[in-house]
Amino acid sequence: EPEVTQTPSHQVTQMGQEVILRCVPISNHLYFYWYRQILGQKVEFLVSFYNNEISEKSEIFDDQFSVERPDGSNFTLKIRSTKLEDSAMYFCASRSDGHTGELFFGEGSRLTVL
Amino acid sequence: QKEVEQDPGPLSVPEGAIVSLNCTYSNSAFQYFMWYRQYSRKGPELLMYTYSSGNKEDGRFTAQVDKSSKYISLFIRDSQPSDSATYLCAVIQGAQKLVFGQGTRLTINP
Repeated sequence: EPEVTQTPSHQVTQMGQEVILRCVPISNHLYFYWYRQILGQKVEFLVSFYNNEISEKSEIFDDQFSVERPDGSNFTLKIRSTKLEDSAMYFCASRSDGHTGELFFGEGSRLTVL
Repeated sequence: QKEVEQDPGPLSVPEGAIVSLNCTYSNSAFQYFMWYRQYSRKGPELLMYTYSSGNKEDGRFTAQVDKSSKYISLFIRDSQPSDSATYLCAVIQGAQKLVFGQGTRLTINP
């Protein structure tokens, strides 16, 4: 069964460092997303990406964050100058050209900022 | 007012029981309502979605929407230990964004 894969599964970084989280969405999917979940809190939308550009982003997704689809398979989230409050589980998701609510999530990348 | 509210639980029931999970939402414009299941240390997985009001059934799972009271429910019949997970309700806001509830942690005891 096709799945969304994310790497790394866990990353520990020092405050102020840059982090890149990587995702390989399901191959025929067209829409790509990043969500995050701070421990004990809700899953929160960060950004959606379609046709090689950001289609929507939340207030959380400020200039510290960027996304890229550098080739036909990878989708990355870059966090510049990480802060303690960036510590969270980051989920990549993708969907086909179907229902907006029918997202397929990866297993997540846990980011710990020290 | 939060867009989607959900009792975080935890909820613990014996195997075979009927489980009722609930959410309320604030915006009457929401049209699609999703239920996701999240096992520990995994990403959310879509269980089912409904459009507008009414019921939708899939095996042991039934999703129900009452738009008049802005209330969404998920019922699990003949609950199994493998149903133990966190259940997240969600709505679509705008074109692309899912807004999730807090999630209810459910444990089914054998």
